[in-house]
Amino acid sequence: GQNIDQPTEMTATEGAIVQINCTYQTSGFNGLFWYQQHAGEAPTFLSYNVLDGLEEKGRFSSFLSRSKGYSYLLLKELQMKDSASYLCAVTDSNYQLIWGAGTKLIIKP
Amino acid sequence: GAVVSQHPSRVICKSGTSVKIECRSLDFQATTMFWYRQFPKQSLMLMATSNEGSKATYEQGVEKDKFLINHASLTLSTLTVTSAHPEDSSFYICSARDAERGYNEQFFGPGTRLTVL
Repeated sequence: GQNIDQPTEMTATEGAIVQINCTYQTSGFNGLFWYQQHAGEAPTFLSYNVLDGLEEKGRFSSFLSRSKGYSYLLLKELQMKDSASYLCAVTDSNYQLIWGAGTKLIIKP
Repeated sequence: GAVVSQHPSRVICKSGTSVKIECRSLDFQATTMFWYRQFPKQSLMLMATSNEGSKATYEQGVEKDKFLINHASLTLSTLTVTSAHPEDSSFYICSARDAERGYNEQFFGPGTRLTVL
């Protein structure tokens, strides 16, 4: 079956760095997405990785290792507004998006 | 660019009534639209994939006669929840693919919160 695993919840301190991991087992791979979702709102796009390596975009970076079926989202200089759920999603061989359950990130002052 | 709107943003209805939710791609043509449902503290659950001009493909466990999907144009898809019941209360989110931008990207609407009394 297809499976995406990410931690249910993480806590970090304002100004610090946090890494949210995602491992996946899917039938084929055509890219991995990270989305941010605030409570009561729709997801918003953060990053897309299809090749191995690190993609940096401001305070957020995303890493992919296809051989390990592994990705992480790195958030630097955490702000209170970063408190949200972070969703990992993989596009399989049929270009269907397979969603992880999301990681709720709690930022403490 | 790549903006998706949904209407209404919030709806409260009585049990047994039908509710229609619209999803529009405002500045691009969406050959494929997706309908998701999200219950509190849970992840997105794909309900159906809608291709313009053809019947929607429903995920296992989703009743096609209860959740009617119409994708009549490249910019509009509708989801009608027929004979709604309290257990249908949820957050419904649509997304759309912009074929010109790339096959993978999905752009999400702001969601519709449905409450069935």
